[in-house]
Amino acid sequence: QKEVEQDPGPLSVPEGAIVSLNCTYSNSAFQYFMWYRQYSRKGPELLMYTYSSGNKEDGRFTAQVDKSSKYISLFIRDSQPSDSATYLCAMTRSGNTGKLIFGQGTTLQVKP
Amino acid sequence: DTEVTQTPKHLVMGMTNKKSLKCEQHMGHRAMYWYKQKAKKPPELMFVYSYEKLSINESVPSRFSPECPNSSLLNLHLHALQPEDSALYLCASSQAGTGKETQYFGPGTRLLVL
Repeated sequence: QKEVEQDPGPLSVPEGAIVSLNCTYSNSAFQYFMWYRQYSRKGPELLMYTYSSGNKEDGRFTAQVDKSSKYISLFIRDSQPSDSATYLCAMTRSGNTGKLIFGQGTTLQVKP
Repeated sequence: DTEVTQTPKHLVMGMTNKKSLKCEQHMGHRAMYWYKQKAKKPPELMFVYSYEKLSINESVPSRFSPECPNSSLLNLHLHALQPEDSALYLCASSQAGTGKETQYFGPGTRLLVL
């Protein structure tokens, strides 16, 4: 079993839809959770960073962490064609010298 | 400015060539990373430098040789690579490499080994 599970999709939605992307994990020591967006043939771009449980909102993006369920989510409101990309969840624990554990990535396509 | 730059953007090399990938950041970060990413896969960690010292080597073959000349620069020296080493090579940096900080990625170098 992988430490982090993420449905690879692809996920296709119409423009304006609410998108929900999710990851589950098995290591209860993870405390730091990130979402990256990666366009084709580009490097990953940090979208959201959350410490421990709770919600964090930034514009159209909301990140949620539920440590009791070992489950994290990224919500995208009013999705746009420019949101079409691969979304990677990543997480780590304190003192891990920066080693991120990535999910497999979910490919999202937002159709105009 | 959260920018990590990488050169070259693309590289084609033969199996007997020696080449180097370069990475630079001016965010004052003291941890820098090399990742390898194959198509439709997440990045795989190769090396971590923390305060210019190698702190993680993820059992990478010796044909990959990292170097951190100073706190802003990171190189990856390539020698006698195999076709299966063709991939996107990503550099990243973070404040101190304790795991608490966010990592910022560069655009990557797309490497093709013939």
